[in-house]
Amino acid sequence: DAGVTQSPTHLIKTRGQQVTLRCSPKSGHDTVSWYQQALGQGPQFIFQYYEEEERQRGNFPDRFSGHQYPNYSSELNVNALLLGDSALYLCASSLGPPRDTGELFFGEGSRLTVL
Amino acid sequence: LAKTTQPISMDSYEGQEVNITCSHNNIATNDYITWYQQFPSQGPRFIIQGYKTKVTNEVASLFIPADRKSSTLSLPRVSLSDTAVYYCLVGDPPRGSQGNLIFGKGTKLSVKP
Repeated sequence: DAGVTQSPTHLIKTRGQQVTLRCSPKSGHDTVSWYQQALGQGPQFIFQYYEEEERQRGNFPDRFSGHQYPNYSSELNVNALLLGDSALYLCASSLGPPRDTGELFFGEGSRLTVL
Repeated sequence: LAKTTQPISMDSYEGQEVNITCSHNNIATNDYITWYQQFPSQGPRFIIQGYKTKVTNEVASLFIPADRKSSTLSLPRVSLSDTAVYYCLVGDPPRGSQGNLIFGKGTKLSVKP
């Protein structure tokens, strides 16, 4: 049973560029959430996708956007990269309502470095 | 949103029981308490979740007093591999409100031989 998989694991970009990160949820899960984790900090919620729609959003600018596909996989896009966007980006999958138990399954993350 | 407060760090030795307490004074009626463990360069891993009294699984126990304004994660007989950051979260995840779950800085547990 495959868990949450994310790609790429590491990447380096320069300021102003755009990046796309990908996530495949755990088998059977239909909800995907994205988190940003800066060094030494806890994960911060970016947004959540369910039924191919953004259901909730944290305090992140519009430069951060996402998408969920019919197979429940998801992408996180960040435009006009800033140095401060350097972080570990985590994808978490879960069961949507009414089966949601509140347990999030996280991937290993994508480490983004912006130079 | 319920805010949580937990110690920044704790030290322990192998074989000891470790108790990490989390304060959440403004917990709402529908909120659950969830704990996650995170190793360096990995995603957090769910440990345990509870609403009231005591919950126990194969990894840990969670103690929640009647007023629910705090909770204690208990790790029995820790080993070196339990060295990690532990996060306490309060929210209503069973209703899909993942956005209301706030990860603070967590508690960095260091287990020494």
